[in-house]
Amino acid sequence: DVKVTQSSRYLVKRTGEKVFLECVQDMDHENMFWYRQDPGLGLRLIYFSYDVKMKEKGDIPEGYSVSREKKERFSLILESASTNQTSMYLCAIHPGQGLKPQHFGDGTRLSIL
Amino acid sequence: DQQVKQNSPSLSVQEGRISILNCDYTNSMFDYFLWYKKYPAEGPTFLISISSIKDKNEDGRFTVFLNKSAKHLSLHIVPSQPGDSAVYFCAAREYGNKLVFGAGTILRVKS
Repeated sequence: DVKVTQSSRYLVKRTGEKVFLECVQDMDHENMFWYRQDPGLGLRLIYFSYDVKMKEKGDIPEGYSVSREKKERFSLILESASTNQTSMYLCAIHPGQGLKPQHFGDGTRLSIL
Repeated sequence: DQQVKQNSPSLSVQEGRISILNCDYTNSMFDYFLWYKKYPAEGPTFLISISSIKDKNEDGRFTVFLNKSAKHLSLHIVPSQPGDSAVYFCAAREYGNKLVFGAGTILRVKS
């Protein structure tokens, strides 16, 4: 079974705080992705990584950064949290080759007050 | 501009009947299409996929149809069950294993 673990299911933070969301996989997959899901907007790609220390911007990278120091771990960082970053954050992985699906973690429901 | 569109925000179906969820796309370079199912407070679960070289793929109660000329994708669930009630997202693969998602359709199966 594919295992994608996100560090927190629910998180409440204050405006201006630096927030870290962690994602860990046990599949040795090359690619990792961070999305946010908002009602009526579907899933939107924030950042992704093809391999260790590699990162690329997705469609909505503003206000976020990422870190991938080890293959199994991909961190999403909210540099200075704002209320419009209240959302469901989802991490996904992909083996890197082939017509295969991405597999998701259970998500982190983040509230910024 | 949305490259993947799910124009029906919600769908209600009687248990045992067919559920048909639709998806339209604009980018002819998409080569792989997927459907995900999502329950509240959980991550999306992969359901079924289809390559752009095919027009149909079946897996049990789930069938995905692809009409490339119309740039249209549909998911058929037969027979529908109450446990199928969830949000369904269609997605399409662009370069580098990136996926573009639709906004989702809420399916309610009434018993």
